[in-house]
Amino acid sequence: EIVMTQSPATLSVSPGERATLSCRASQSVNSNLAWYQQKPGQAPRLLIYGAYTRAAGVPARFSGSGSGTEFTLTISSLQSEDFAVYYCQQYNNWPRTFGLGTKVDIK
Amino acid sequence: EVQLVESGGGLVQPGRSLRLSCAASGFIFHDYAMYWVRQAPGKGLEWVAGISWDSIGVGYGDSVKGRFTVSRDNAKKSLYLQMDSLRIEDTALYYCAKDLSSGYFGSPGDAFDVWGQGTMVTVS
Repeated sequence: EIVMTQSPATLSVSPGERATLSCRASQSVNSNLAWYQQKPGQAPRLLIYGAYTRAAGVPARFSGSGSGTEFTLTISSLQSEDFAVYYCQQYNNWPRTFGLGTKVDIK
Repeated sequence: EVQLVESGGGLVQPGRSLRLSCAASGFIFHDYAMYWVRQAPGKGLEWVAGISWDSIGVGYGDSVKGRFTVSRDNAKKSLYLQMDSLRIEDTALYYCAKDLSSGYFGSPGDAFDVWGQGTMVTVS
């Protein structure tokens, strides 16, 4: 099973600042990596797939990068609605696996 | 509107069984692989099971392998999860989700673009 490690566990950021979230895979997943956003009481929402492609309706302030084992989600200028938990997921191998998440909260 | 609606959750004793359902609408159900993902209270996401559009391919997470069975009925546009030998650690909110693109399954697969709101399973 591929282990996905996200860091940091919690990221405190002020509105308008940049946030950088990391995700590392225990072995290469090529570019088969997705990022999801989850707010309290809501289902996860797909943000990024294929490591860097924004899903439909996702604002341009969200960007993904990386390939192989190292990936990054960047939120260029945090808005109030962006404070949430973010998960990475690999879909290169079975079983599909998620990271434990990074909580982005207000500094 | 593309929609997934889960049902069938509830309180069940350890060792008993439960069957979850997920009703799909707004897309061509029989073209897409479907999945179950769960989330224990206050915890992260855990991939549980997946099934190809034609039911030929199935996959399970290590923690449920041999106890859970995923199936689908394309005529009814429904996905199912039969959960047997339930354990306390199976307590979670269970989501169903669909693949972003049709025709994907196996390795590699695809991201999940639509999720239901979940159905809660409590084993106690």
